[in-house]
Amino acid sequence: AQKVTQAQTEISVVEKEDVTLDCVYETRDTTYYLFWYKQPPSGELVFLIRRNSFDEQNEISGRYSWNFQKSTSSFNFTITASQVVDSAVYFCALSWDSNYQLIWGAGTKLIIKP
Amino acid sequence: NAGVTQTPKFQVLKTGQSMTLQCAQDMNHEYMSWYRQDPGMGLRLIHYSVGAGITDQGEVPNGYNVSRSTTEDFPLRLLSAAPSQTSVYFCASSYSRLYEEYFGPGTRLTVT
Repeated sequence: AQKVTQAQTEISVVEKEDVTLDCVYETRDTTYYLFWYKQPPSGELVFLIRRNSFDEQNEISGRYSWNFQKSTSSFNFTITASQVVDSAVYFCALSWDSNYQLIWGAGTKLIIKP
Repeated sequence: NAGVTQTPKFQVLKTGQSMTLQCAQDMNHEYMSWYRQDPGMGLRLIHYSVGAGITDQGEVPNGYNVSRSTTEDFPLRLLSAAPSQTSVYFCASSYSRLYEEYFGPGTRLTVT
């Protein structure tokens, strides 16, 4: 079955610490797409990154980085030098070529304390 | 560009009432979807559309209807509201299913 697991329900760190959010996925398809979204306390959903299954290069965008490893079916998200504004719920999601639906993880609530 | 707009922002219904949640996008996206978000859960797909005149069911379609008469609009109808439909509803659009979705601000619905 196709599935996304975000095992960390809630993470709390002190500002400036690095933090990694885990995402493990299951799919039978060889062509698939992985996404991360952010939902700050205000409630909107903000797209962060899209990665296809043929591109295993790690991605860095400022303080954000993503580690995609097909061998472990993981697509982990790291925030370096966290800031209070990073406090949000972060969702990982999966889509694949033969499907029209996006499968979402349950989300990880990240709390950054000042 | 307004992006994806949803109305209303908040709604309270009594059990058995019906209503329509409006969604519109101005990005000429073919793909549109409706999700519900319940506490402690990820988003669950209610219905989606891959283009005008084409809709299909998602994971939790019961109690909801959709139509897509234009590319821009994708309303969600609650036929007979039940307390189990208390949730936050998000509409989204994207270039295609395999690309990122852009979300509306959400509608917080309470059914009493």
